Formats: sequence, structure tokens, C-alpha cells
Amino acid sequence: DTEVTQTPKHLVMGMTNKKSLKCEQHMGHRAMYWYKQKAKKPPELMFVYSYEKLSINESVPSRFSPECPNSSLLNLHLHALQPEDSALYLCASSQAQGGDYGYTFGSGTRLTVV
Amino acid sequence: AQSVTQPDIHITVSEGASLELRCNYSYGATPYLFWYVQSPGQGLQLLLKYFSGDTLVQGIKGFEAEFKRSQSSFNLRKPSVHWSDAAEYFCAVDNQAGTALIFGKGTTLSVSS
Repeated sequence: DTEVTQTPKHLVMGMTNKKSLKCEQHMGHRAMYWYKQKAKKPPELMFVYSYEKLSINESVPSRFSPECPNSSLLNLHLHALQPEDSALYLCASSQAQGGDYGYTFGSGTRLTVV
Repeated sequence: AQSVTQPDIHITVSEGASLELRCNYSYGATPYLFWYVQSPGQGLQLLLKYFSGDTLVQGIKGFEAEFKRSQSSFNLRKPSVHWSDAAEYFCAVDNQAGTALIFGKGTTLSVSS
């Protein structure tokens, strides 16, 4: 299995809802990443997990809460989002953080906040 | 901090013509360099990457890129563009310091018939 799987592919949520995005990989990678991509913009790094511990938090608002329950799974919990949070959320993994390993990206979750 | 610049926001190329997309990076040492392509509404697909060694890198779909340390560049090329190559192209850098992948602003490629 050489893929990063993201679910759901599409999500519409209200500003008072709580939802979660899921990212899964079975490549034995020990670093996992969340990126946010607005339309016509490049992906922007949100969080990095290395060996299931939060390594980087790019000053993301607390309404986004990441969780890494095990080495294969990365979640992004969403609560009280704003319409400007509507974007494509991309998950990626790499064998480890840093080093010449390369990155594998999922196909993303397109989130719409209404 | 490292950064990557893609000077061209939008490029239009005739089908069958050659293509070069520019990418410049700012970093003290040799970074790891990547080119990704993204079709509308889709995720990112890796075209090629450079870590070390031969400065001319071959990728998928007939793309290649050349790392030039003296110019801090990693330009993407294709000898003959197909209509299906129309997409957004991102150059990205990993500074090896254990951070993560940082993307340029992207270049939109349009292909005319």
C-alpha cells in the first residue's frame, strides 16, 4: 500500500458543528502532515507529527485540533469553524521528518463551512 | 528561512511546443527540491525530486528538471506539451532541517491548440 487515504472527500459543515477529517497510511511512515490549501493558492503547512508527537504547529487557530492516535492515523478535529476556513485540506506522510525521503500526499478533503 | 519563488503566475503554451517553468530557492545549503502538479479539484502529484547527485532529474509524464546551484534554480522542462498538461505546477523545498515541505505560489499552465 503506497497511498495516503483521506476521508471524507467532501464535507459541508455549519459554524456550530463539530466534525473530523481522517488521514491514514500503511507505509510505515513516522511523520505526518496537515496542509490547508485555499483556491488558487499553494498548500500552507498547519501541523507536523513526528513519531505520534506534535512537532510543528504553524500558529493555527485552536478551532483546529490535530490528533495522532497511532503511527498510521492522523485526525483533524474541527469545531466552530468560520466560512474563511473553507478550503482543501491535504494530508501527507514521509518516512521520517527531514531527510531525503520524499512526501506522499492524499487527495484531500474539500471542506465548505456554511 | 528558506523560501521558493516561482516568477511566472500564468503561462500559455501551444500544444506540441516546449515548456520551461522557473523556480528559484533561497537557502544556504542545497535543499531537497520537488515539483508537483495539481489538476483542478485534485490532490498533488509528484513529478520529480532532487536530493543529490546528477543535476538533471527525470520525472514522470516526460518532465525533467535541472538543478543549478550557481543560479539557485530548479527549472522544470518538457520538450513537447500535451493538452492534458494544463494544470497548476508547484515547486517546493525541504530545507533538511526537519521542518516540512514549503511551496512556491505556483504557476498555472494553459495549453492552446
